[in-house]
Parts: sequence; C-alpha cells; structure tokens
Amino acid sequence: DIQMTQSPSTLSASVGDRVTITCRASQSISSWLAWYQQKPGKAPKLLIYKASSLASGVPSRFSGIGSGTDFTLTISSLQPDDFATYFCQQYHRYWRTFGQGTKVEIK
Amino acid sequence: QVQLVESGGGVAQPGRSLRLSCAASGFTFSGFGMHWVRQAPGKGMEWLAVIWYDGRNKEYADSVEGRFTISRDNSKNTLYLQMNSLRAEDTAVYHCAREAPAHYVSSGVIDYWGQGTLVTVSS
Repeated sequence: DIQMTQSPSTLSASVGDRVTITCRASQSISSWLAWYQQKPGKAPKLLIYKASSLASGVPSRFSGIGSGTDFTLTISSLQPDDFATYFCQQYHRYWRTFGQGTKVEIK
Repeated sequence: QVQLVESGGGVAQPGRSLRLSCAASGFTFSGFGMHWVRQAPGKGMEWLAVIWYDGRNKEYADSVEGRFTISRDNSKNTLYLQMNSLRAEDTAVYHCAREAPAHYVSSGVIDYWGQGTLVTVSS
C-alpha cells in the first residue's frame, strides 16, 4: 500500500494568515494527488486535483504544488470559511489512500 | 447539481449484516465509477471498494475483501454496499463517492462525496 503522511495534524491560525499543509507519499505517485476540505457533518469537497489543478468553483487562494512524493497545499490568505479539516488522497492506484487530515483552527 | 445520499446505516451486532445504499442524482450515474470510503471515529479516511461504471469490475481493500460486496443498479441510479460478518472495527461513517471519468480533465479523481451514513457495530 502507498502510505500518505500528512502534517501538521492541527494548525492554529488567524484570518489573513498564509497556511501550508504537507503530504508525503511512501512511494512516487507522480502528480496523482488530490486535496479535500471537510467540515463537520458535511461531505468532503474537492479543492485540488492532479497536485496543482484547482477544482471548479474553488477560490484562487487555494493552491497545490508537488510531484513524486512531496506535496503542499497552501491557503494564501485564510478566510473565516476556511476553518475546516483538510486531507490529501493519492489516486496513483485504484486503491486510494488518504492522509490523516489537518484541522485548521482559529487562533 | 450532483447529489449523493447514503442510507441504511444504524446499529448492528457483531457478526450481523447491513446493506447501505447511495442514491445518485444530478448526473448520468451509469457513466461513472463509484467508490465507498469510510471514516472511523477519530481516524482518517479509509478506502473500501470501487465499482466500474458498468458494474463489470470491482476491487476491494484487504480489510473488507470477502465480507463486503459493492454493487450498483444503473436503472435505479443507486450504489450499494452489502456488509456481512460485521466487526466492532467496522464502526464508521460510510461515504459513497463519484470518480471523474476518463474524458474529464480531472480523470480518476474522486470529485463528489456524500455526507455519509453512520454504522455502529456493538453488542
């Protein structure tokens, strides 16, 4: 299995802050990585696919970069609606594996 | 708009069975591969199974192979997960999810999820 290691597990930040979350794969997954946002009791929402492509309707303050094993999600200026949990997922193989998630909290 | 609505969750005793359903709307269900993913309390997401758009191919995670069966009825726009021989460690919120097809620029990614249905396995 491809293991996905995501960090940090929790992040405290203020509105307007630049926020960075990282995800590392245990083997190369090329650019087959997605980032999702999830709020309590809601369905996860796709933010980024193929490591750096912005999903439809997602604000441009979200960006992704990386290839191979190391990936980053950046929120350039945190907004009140962005306090949520974020997780990465590899889709290099049909069996998907996920990062453990990063909870972005209000500082 | 795309909607995925899971149902069928609840409390089951160890060793018993449950069948989950996922009603799809807002897209041509028969054209998309579908997945089941679960999240145990306090844990990350765990992928369980995928079924191809036509139902001919299915793949499972080792943790559920032989106990869970994914299926679909394209005439009813519905995805299913038959869960047998349930264990306490199967307690989780179960999500169905859609995979973007080959002709999409986002091909292969899970692009829509349902909110999930809670399954609790306890005696």
